[in-house]
Amino acid sequence: EAAVTQSPRNKVTVTGGNVTLSCRQTNSHNYMYWYRQDTGHGLRLIHYSYGAGNLQIGDVPDGYKATRTTQEDFFLLLELASPSQTSLYFCASSAPGGVTLYFGAGTRLSVL
Amino acid sequence: QQQVRQSPQSLTVWEGETAILNCSYEDSTFNYFPWYQQFPGEGPALLISISSVSDKKEDGRFTIFFNKREKKLSLHITDSQPGDSATYFCAASAHNNNAPRFGAGTKLTVKP
Repeated sequence: EAAVTQSPRNKVTVTGGNVTLSCRQTNSHNYMYWYRQDTGHGLRLIHYSYGAGNLQIGDVPDGYKATRTTQEDFFLLLELASPSQTSLYFCASSAPGGVTLYFGAGTRLSVL
Repeated sequence: QQQVRQSPQSLTVWEGETAILNCSYEDSTFNYFPWYQQFPGEGPALLISISSVSDKKEDGRFTIFFNKREKKLSLHITDSQPGDSATYFCAASAHNNNAPRFGAGTKLTVKP
């Protein structure tokens, strides 16, 4: 069964709306990541975490907050969504050292 | 700016031909280079990887060639099959910063 589960799979919101994307992993991994995927840009790192309560800033953090509540759960928060945040979002987990990332199936977000 | 660059953006080959996908990077601290394969509607999955101490890594029909001096890699897919049609991402990470950075991807189409 899927070891990295993202929810929801699809989300539509309006400009200025609040959105929370959820990710749960059952790999017993310490590291978790949020990426966004856009045509022409590939996967860009938003935020990542080394463990519960830890947060690291990625390369495209503006407009995003993240919280790592437990080893299993990592959330991405968009408090004032904008159309530029329309994208496909992926969560991933890895063991320390980040040798192999295990990705979820993605959440497609549309901000109207 | 993109820390990892890939070319071409898209590539079409005939079944049985060799597909060559290119990747380059700037950051000399990068020392681990995984390639991920992504099918439509799915998250990326690790295909093959190489560390900077090697100049070649082979796994069946997939081979990575690595030139540390030029900061370039290439993924060769020999005897390409229609089932290899996917998007391929080159990624890079450093031992002191485990969050991998990804290129923009190469969309490979293998025609039967």
